[in-house]
Amino acid sequence: GQQVMQIPQYQHVQEGEDFTTYCNSSTTLSNIQWYKQRPGGHPVFLIQLVKSGEVKKQKRLTFQFGEAKKNSSLHITATQTTDVGTYFCAGMDSSYKLIFGSGTRLLVRP
Amino acid sequence: DVKVTQSSRYLVKRTGEKVFLECVQDMDHENMFWYRQDPGLGLRLIYFSYDVKMKEKGDIPEGYSVSREKKERFSLILESASTNQTSMYLCASSRAERVSPLHFGNGTRLTVT
Repeated sequence: GQQVMQIPQYQHVQEGEDFTTYCNSSTTLSNIQWYKQRPGGHPVFLIQLVKSGEVKKQKRLTFQFGEAKKNSSLHITATQTTDVGTYFCAGMDSSYKLIFGSGTRLLVRP
Repeated sequence: DVKVTQSSRYLVKRTGEKVFLECVQDMDHENMFWYRQDPGLGLRLIYFSYDVKMKEKGDIPEGYSVSREKKERFSLILESASTNQTSMYLCASSRAERVSPLHFGNGTRLTVT
């Protein structure tokens, strides 16, 4: 079946360093959503990308959707300890089914 | 603000027991979902519902069933719990539009011994 691969599985950075997580789909996606799950918490919706090549920013977070609508990335500039958590991408296929990536767990050393 | 409430935060059950996980949302959302979350596997969809009395199988429905008698409530049932169903269970809801974001509950960590 359709899969959304997400890498890396873990990333441990020094506070102030940048961080990027990547998602790749085997098929074209209708849109892609990003969620953040704090330790001990539940996933919380961050953003949705719909258009080919779309780039959206939320403060230090930059989200991109690939031209072919098969890949996406989340980049955090100058990480802070508040960025700690697991970041999930979720791609929506043509039947409106949402497929989650396995997540990237971000740890930040103060 | 949307609130999705799951009845239990932690649950311990014995193998073979029938287990009910309850989920209630207060925003009149049409769509409701049950996921399980396991380390390294992300979130996997068990069942979902786009309307009252309606249900559809997700990616891993085996060993589970669901009930949606009222719009605000979506129940996940483990007919005969097994140890491989030990997991974090997350309920979510969304508006009728298929591209609406999901709002998750706090999760139920189920341990089957």
